[in-house]
Amino acid sequence: EIVLTQSPGTLSLSPGERATLSCRASQSVSSSYLAWYQQKPGQAPRLLIYGASSRATGIPDRFSGSGSGTDFTLTISRLEPEDFAVYYCQQYGSSPPFTFGQGTKLEIK
Amino acid sequence: QVTLRESGPALVKPTQTLTLTCTFSGFSLSTSGMCVSWVRQPPGKALEWLALIDWDDDKYYSTSLKTRLTISKDTSKNQVVLTMTNMDPVDTATYYCARMRGGYYHFDYWGQGTLVTVSS
Repeated sequence: EIVLTQSPGTLSLSPGERATLSCRASQSVSSSYLAWYQQKPGQAPRLLIYGASSRATGIPDRFSGSGSGTDFTLTISRLEPEDFAVYYCQQYGSSPPFTFGQGTKLEIK
Repeated sequence: QVTLRESGPALVKPTQTLTLTCTFSGFSLSTSGMCVSWVRQPPGKALEWLALIDWDDDKYYSTSLKTRLTISKDTSKNQVVLTMTNMDPVDTATYYCARMRGGYYHFDYWGQGTLVTVSS
């Protein structure tokens, strides 16, 4: 099973700053199979990025994804107040097919 | 417009079997490539993938939970059902269903989730 480790666990930043979130896989993951989600309290996850770097429909261009192999990054270029949430990475593999990271909480400093 | 909605009991007793239904609209599970998955999230914890069923009735399960899970579909009703046996308090979580399209490997639409508490 591929394990995804996200860092940091909590990131404290101010609106307008740049956020960089990391997702590291225990084995190589195809870029096509790496996605990022945003989750706000009391809400379902929302797809942000798929295929490591493609933005989902309606996602602002301040969100970007990059990486390959075992290291992937979600970057938010200029934080807006509504961006403070928990972020999860997810990969598709063999057995089991899907795993999620443990999440990074992005909080207001 | 794609929507998914989970339904089922809010409270189950330990050792009981949980049955959850995902009712969806805006797509058909008879369309090639379409899939529906279940994901759960214990309070304050991370997401955990549970099971997936595809348009061809192929089924995939979490390695750690596969002996307790069964996923099935009723295409005519646009429903996917998940059963989980031998429920335990550690299974207390919000259970989500989510859609995945063929050729993609992520979940593009999610239900709002249903909280299931396991307690005597």
